[in-house]
Amino acid sequence: QQPVQSPQAVILREGEDAVINCSSSKALYSVHWYRQKHGEAPVFLMILLKGGEQKGHEKISASFNEKKQQSSLYLTASQLSYSGTYFCGTGDFGGSQGNLIFGKGTKLSVKP
Amino acid sequence: GAGVSQSPSNKVTEKGKDVELRCDPISGHTALYWYRQSLGQGLEFLIYFQGNSAPDKSGLPSDRFSAERTGGSVSTLTIQRTQQEDSAVYLCASSPASGAYNEQFFGPGTRLTVL
Repeated sequence: QQPVQSPQAVILREGEDAVINCSSSKALYSVHWYRQKHGEAPVFLMILLKGGEQKGHEKISASFNEKKQQSSLYLTASQLSYSGTYFCGTGDFGGSQGNLIFGKGTKLSVKP
Repeated sequence: GAGVSQSPSNKVTEKGKDVELRCDPISGHTALYWYRQSLGQGLEFLIYFQGNSAPDKSGLPSDRFSAERTGGSVSTLTIQRTQQEDSAVYLCASSPASGAYNEQFFGPGTRLTVL
């Protein structure tokens, strides 16, 4: 089942903060976050696993609440380069099989 | 090193024709995924390959869609008897392995327009 992302869109001024949420109705093992700029391929930001392990870019912050089946991506002191659409992908497999189901995305616009 | 490449970058076809979309994954990546992205929509999973295992075809929307991966590397997504609703960007991604801890590296996509 497709995870639900909120908000659908957000507009920020440079330097402002934002939180993007991703929630699922299924028990999750992992949450992936990607950013896609207009006309470009999605780019990996972060992976969060059940149990607390994380892998990703140092400047990106995110959380994973296993009990609530939710993840949040924290964008602080936003820059113009943060603009794009953010997708979360959820996985309920912990082993070597399985694919991700992506949400519909959150469009972030950062203005000067 | 080289990233994931896809060809063609754009494809315009007439309704009812067959199309083939190609994906060259990053060398050494054993997992390969196909997604479809319609305007303003998220990434819709289509199919994935992992090594020599049988592919997971659970996301293919109809039997007009098929994909193969030759020699564990290049993959081709084939859409037969295209319909206008097939118009979308088709993205390919590869990963060092499937599984929860491996990020996916996406190609630039093929924009398919069915007239």
